[in-house]
Amino acid sequence: GNSVTQMEGPVTLSEEAFLTINCTYTATGYPSLFWYVQYPGEGLQLLLKATKADDKGSNKGFEATYRKETTSFHLEKGSVQVSDSAVYFCALSTNAGKSTFGDGTTLTVKP
Amino acid sequence: GAGVSQSPRYKVAKRGQDVALRCDPISGHVSLFWYQQALGQGPEFLTYFQNEAQLDKSGLPSDRFFAERPEGSVSTLKIQRTQQEDSAVYLCASSSGTGDSPLHFGNGTRLTVT
Repeated sequence: GNSVTQMEGPVTLSEEAFLTINCTYTATGYPSLFWYVQYPGEGLQLLLKATKADDKGSNKGFEATYRKETTSFHLEKGSVQVSDSAVYFCALSTNAGKSTFGDGTTLTVKP
Repeated sequence: GAGVSQSPRYKVAKRGQDVALRCDPISGHVSLFWYQQALGQGPEFLTYFQNEAQLDKSGLPSDRFFAERPEGSVSTLKIQRTQQEDSAVYLCASSSGTGDSPLHFGNGTRLTVT
């Protein structure tokens, strides 16, 4: 079956530091890949997505590239802010629409 | 409405009671999903509707769990004879289409079974 493995947290960084959160997946077929973010007290919301190999998704300074050869979709940001503190979830979705999620990585950014 | 709405926000049930959780998706979204999220884990798939048809219920953990979406809009997740292991956050999400359409989540219902 499909599965997503993401870097365990929590991750604590200073403001303006570089962020990487690793995500690898196992899937049959050609899934779409997503990063969702959950800010404190809010529901999960889409951060970015990529639908085919070598696509790069980007939003709010975050980027992730769909790497089919390494089955990875690592999330990166060059300079994090305190407001980026949240839980980040990597996910994949097949044509059936059902999504499989990783266990989430908690990011805390300190001023 | 502007987003996916779930109610109640919190529910405390005594073991053995039945509960019903409601989800009002984004207007026009044909796909609706229910997920269960335990503390410190990612959402786990429960069931999926396309309009009023329940196309996949493979994630429902037992026959005590039942979901419906009779008119292709609002959905209800019902749990009969609740058990302590049912305690979790139940998330509803809707989307406009198929695999590459992102999910729009509600804020969830936190169920605590005592």
